[in-house]
Amino acid sequence: QQQVKQSPQSLIVQKGGISIINCAYENTAFDYFPWYQQFPGKGPALLIAIRPDVSEKKEGRFTISFNKSAKQFSLHIMDSQPGDSATYFCAAGTQGGSEKLVFGKGTKLTVNP
Amino acid sequence: DAGVTQSPTHLIKTRGQHVTLRCSPISGHKSVSWYQQVLGQGPQFIFQYYEKEERGRGNFPDRFSARQFPNYSSELNVNALLLGDSALYLCASSFGRERKQTQYFGPGTRLLVL
Repeated sequence: QQQVKQSPQSLIVQKGGISIINCAYENTAFDYFPWYQQFPGKGPALLIAIRPDVSEKKEGRFTISFNKSAKQFSLHIMDSQPGDSATYFCAAGTQGGSEKLVFGKGTKLTVNP
Repeated sequence: DAGVTQSPTHLIKTRGQHVTLRCSPISGHKSVSWYQQVLGQGPQFIFQYYEKEERGRGNFPDRFSARQFPNYSSELNVNALLLGDSALYLCASSFGRERKQTQYFGPGTRLLVL
């Protein structure tokens, strides 16, 4: 069964701190790994995505680290802000064919001022 | 540019009824996918349509069906509603071409089955 395991379930960080969310996958056919941010009552919004030919991708305060051999990837949010408080989902999918994304269960991030 | 739009925003139905949810993709996008998000969980894939053809189907019963129209908009239909169908139903669109499959989600339709 295709699964993506995400941890922690919830995370509390002080303003200015680093938030780290981890995900692990099983299916080696996955070759596309996006992260989505979701605010209450809204649909998920794409934050950043990575493909397995690179080990790290940075966009502003958000960085994805990817470890292909361990089948793990993580999201780092630098200088976390109260406005970052949301639920974050990692996902995995394959290029070509069906665009099915398999999502983790989510991490609720709270950034205290 | 308008993002993915979905209608209605909220819906209340009773068990056994039928529901139709609608989605309009981002202009230029030819692929539409449907996901179910139960409270406290990540979205679960239901269907993907590209150029009006079903390209993928998740592990959902036959009570769930969908279609895509020539203008690339899409409908998700659910028959014989169960209490467990209560969820946020998300539509996502993409160009549908390889390496251009970034999916953009709409705000969702929140369905409550009583």
